[in-house]
Amino acid sequence: NAGVTQTPKFRILKIGQSMTLQCTQDMNHNYMYWYRQDPGMGLKLIYYSVGAGITDKGEVPNGYNVSRSTTEDFPLRLELAAPSQTSVYFCASSYLGQRETQYFGPGTRLLVL
Amino acid sequence: QKEVEQNSGPLSVPEGAIASLNCTYSDRGSQSFFWYRQYSGKSPELIMFIYSNGDKEDGRFTAQLNKASQYVSLLIRDSQPSDSATYLCAVRRGSNYKLTFGKGTLLTVNP
Repeated sequence: NAGVTQTPKFRILKIGQSMTLQCTQDMNHNYMYWYRQDPGMGLKLIYYSVGAGITDKGEVPNGYNVSRSTTEDFPLRLELAAPSQTSVYFCASSYLGQRETQYFGPGTRLLVL
Repeated sequence: QKEVEQNSGPLSVPEGAIASLNCTYSDRGSQSFFWYRQYSGKSPELIMFIYSNGDKEDGRFTAQLNKASQYVSLLIRDSQPSDSATYLCAVRRGSNYKLTFGKGTLLTVNP
């Protein structure tokens, strides 16, 4: 199993550009999450999903959108990138019967200039 | 605003010593508590979780929970240089699967 994979690893965006961060898991997990981590800070939940077709907002959803058309994929869309969105983005997943353990992807480092 | 507070450190201990990491939380409805380890430039990985008051041991790691004081700690015995990392405390309210993270404590274990 590859676990949770994220692409790209690193990206530079100009202000106002858009992009999609990809997240895929091959563990058949129901729950998936997107977090952002700013330097020296903990993780903030952006969006989460409890299954295909179901998504909900976390603590810091403004400026982002998500979709969950399949169990495996949970892409995060940034529209009109702003410098405040410069961060490291982590995708995670967990299984209904084992919700204690969230498995994290390697992260995407995003720089908005 | 539900908060999880940690001393940002850095906490420096010599190899072989006990490292003690502390976390307080403001939401009395919190029921599940987690410790994640994050190496520099890497993603977090779960070390332990604890639900009940008291101690929970796993190898060199012991999690301690005191819900009355809204306090959770992580003890690392026989600290090794490979334990040098940022330790993130996270809490969850009830059956809600969303986690609230603290900012983390940077631990450095000196050989």
